[in-house]
Amino acid sequence: GAVVSQHPSRVICKSGTSVKIECRSLDFQATTMFWYRQFPKQSLMLMATSNEGSKATYEQGVEKDKFLINHASLTLSTLTVTSAHPEDSSFYICSAPPTGGIWNEQFFGPGTRLTVL
Amino acid sequence: SQQGEEDPQALSIQEGENATMNCSYKTSINNLQWYRQNSGRGLVHLILIRSNEREKHSGRLRVTLDTSKKSSSLLITASRAADTASYFCSTSGTYKYIFGTGTRLKVLA
Repeated sequence: GAVVSQHPSRVICKSGTSVKIECRSLDFQATTMFWYRQFPKQSLMLMATSNEGSKATYEQGVEKDKFLINHASLTLSTLTVTSAHPEDSSFYICSAPPTGGIWNEQFFGPGTRLTVL
Repeated sequence: SQQGEEDPQALSIQEGENATMNCSYKTSINNLQWYRQNSGRGLVHLILIRSNEREKHSGRLRVTLDTSKKSSSLLITASRAADTASYFCSTSGTYKYIFGTGTRLKVLA
C-alpha cells in the first residue's frame, strides 16, 4: 500500500512557540490531504482539508490562524501550530487518498505527538 | 464534527470469543472503512466496504453495511490478545472522511 510519513514523530515545546509538522506522501501524489487531531482515549477529529495549490478548508471550530496549513506540492502538506499552548497538546495525524482515489482507502501517517509545556 | 457513533464504547472479552462492534452514521456515504489503532500509535486500515456492498470478509473480519439504517458492524471472530486495540469506523462522503467515536476492545488471555 501507499506510504505516508510524518515528521517529527514527537515534539516537546515551550508554551508560545510555533511547531511545524510535515506530512509527505512517499510513493504517490496527493492533491488532497487531511489533518486530524486526537486527544487521549478519543476519536480522530478532522481539523482541515489541505488542498494542493489552494487554501485549506477548515472544520467548524478550528482556528485557521492558529493552525496554518500549507500544501506546497503534490507530496507535502505542513501543519504549523502557532503560539502553542498546553491545550494544543495532542496527537496529530495526517492522511491522504491517492489522486483520483478520493472514494477509496486513505493512507495515514504514523502521527505526531505534540506536548506543550 | 463527528459523524459516526460506535457502540459499545468499550468491550472486554475472553480470547477465542467473537467481538462485534457497531457503527452508525448520519449522511449518505460512498464507502465505509474500519481501522484499528493500538494505544498511542497510528491507524491500520482493516477493511473498506462500498455503499453498494452489503457484506465483506477479510480473514477473521466480517463487515456488514446497511445503508437503509445507516449502520455497519465489524465482527472479529476467534479473538486473540493481539486484537486488543481501539477500532474506528470512517465514512467517506462529501470529499472528506469522518471518524466514529470508536470502540475500545480488550481481549483477555
